[in-house]
Amino acid sequence: QQQVRQSPQSLTVWEGGTTVLTCSYEDSTFNYFPWYQQFPGEGPALLISILSVSDKKEDGRFTTFFNKREKKLSLHIIDSQPGDSATYFCAASVAGGSAKLIFGEGTKLTVSS
Amino acid sequence: GGIITQTPKFLIGQEGQKLTLKCQQNFNHDTMYWYRQDSGKGLRLIYYSITENDLQKGDLSEGYDASREKKSSFSLTVTSAQKNEMAVFLCASRDRGSAETLYFGSGTRLTVL
Repeated sequence: QQQVRQSPQSLTVWEGGTTVLTCSYEDSTFNYFPWYQQFPGEGPALLISILSVSDKKEDGRFTTFFNKREKKLSLHIIDSQPGDSATYFCAASVAGGSAKLIFGEGTKLTVSS
Repeated sequence: GGIITQTPKFLIGQEGQKLTLKCQQNFNHDTMYWYRQDSGKGLRLIYYSITENDLQKGDLSEGYDASREKKSSFSLTVTSAQKNEMAVFLCASRDRGSAETLYFGSGTRLTVL
């Protein structure tokens, strides 16, 4: 059973454009939502995260939005760069809870110049 | 800083063979994880361990065994390799404290002939 769903599976944007990735989750006890970035041949690395007490968190060109009522979150990348080409995973867990982090299926992003 | 080392980087086995993947971390983290990564399916949790000698099953534990002999190492055994489980296996670790970030190794790619 997939508790965290992510879309789209793949996406191509032009350099300088805005990328939008979305996720939805089912378990209402989840309160911690990180996004991980993975380059080919490497393990995923934390990009940005948000707790359910917030609805927006920004880090440079990356912003994550959280909608508790709809159980949805999104990642926006402004001024997308070829170096942002990677696979992005959203994930969810209960902060300070069982330590189990559930990942979405991933989105492969290609930024074309 | 620290590092997670996974060995081997590439593992080739025969169908039905028992295969072991190893992971070492020098972060001094309490919690360690094994995830399986299949294209289009994201990262699925196989086993995790909250502390030395602890083992917790994830959603994909059938067909696998795990062992946490000491704090710094966590091994995963494929009990009988099947062709449909060719994938990348990722090890990760996390501090038990308030930080929720998982740190990943670069993975072991399993091929079953």
